[in-house]
Amino acid sequence: AQKITQTQPGMFVQEKEAVTLDCTYDTSDPSYGLFWYKQPSSGEMIFLIYQGSYDQQNATEGRYSLNFQKARKSANLVISASQLGDSAMYFCASNYGGSQGNLIFGKGTKLSVKP
Amino acid sequence: EAQVTQNPRYLITVTGKKLTVTCSQNMNHEYMSWYRQDPGLGLRQIYYSMNVEVTDKGDVPEGYKVSRKEKRNFPLILESPSPNQTSLYFCASSLYAGLRTGELFFGEGSRLTVL
Repeated sequence: AQKITQTQPGMFVQEKEAVTLDCTYDTSDPSYGLFWYKQPSSGEMIFLIYQGSYDQQNATEGRYSLNFQKARKSANLVISASQLGDSAMYFCASNYGGSQGNLIFGKGTKLSVKP
Repeated sequence: EAQVTQNPRYLITVTGKKLTVTCSQNMNHEYMSWYRQDPGLGLRQIYYSMNVEVTDKGDVPEGYKVSRKEKRNFPLILESPSPNQTSLYFCASSLYAGLRTGELFFGEGSRLTVL
């Protein structure tokens, strides 16, 4: 069964610094998607970034980038120039070609940005 | 405004009393799905639907039913709720089929308590 592991329950980062949130996945399917979401303390879920397994380049969306290392099965989220508003829970998720609608989530990392 | 609307947002009910959580999206999305979020467990997928009249089980479907009679609506039905279904529920939709189904618009969540 597919599995997503986020090993950092909580992290702190200084405002304006970059931070990397770890995510590893476990699938034998060659075709899969990787996703990151943000959940602020207000509770809503916000999609941040997508990486496909066949994408040659790392995905970027503004201050977010996904450090995709296929051989290591890792899909780390990098947030550059952290802002106070980045304090939130962050979830990594994946689906795979055999069941594209079935999305598996990690348990999340709580990021706290210090002023 | 593009949105996914869930109702009710908050509900306290008793064991065995059937309830339905409605979900409606106004973006003409093909894909819709339901998740539950419990502390320390991240999000877990309950059911998903790739299109009208097509539904599939996620990872925790026991005790839930869904239907997709129209593209915009995807209600979650708890036929006989039990206390272990106390949770925060999210409905979500995606413009994409295929691997990008995880690029999701989420509803605001429905907090359900079963006594």
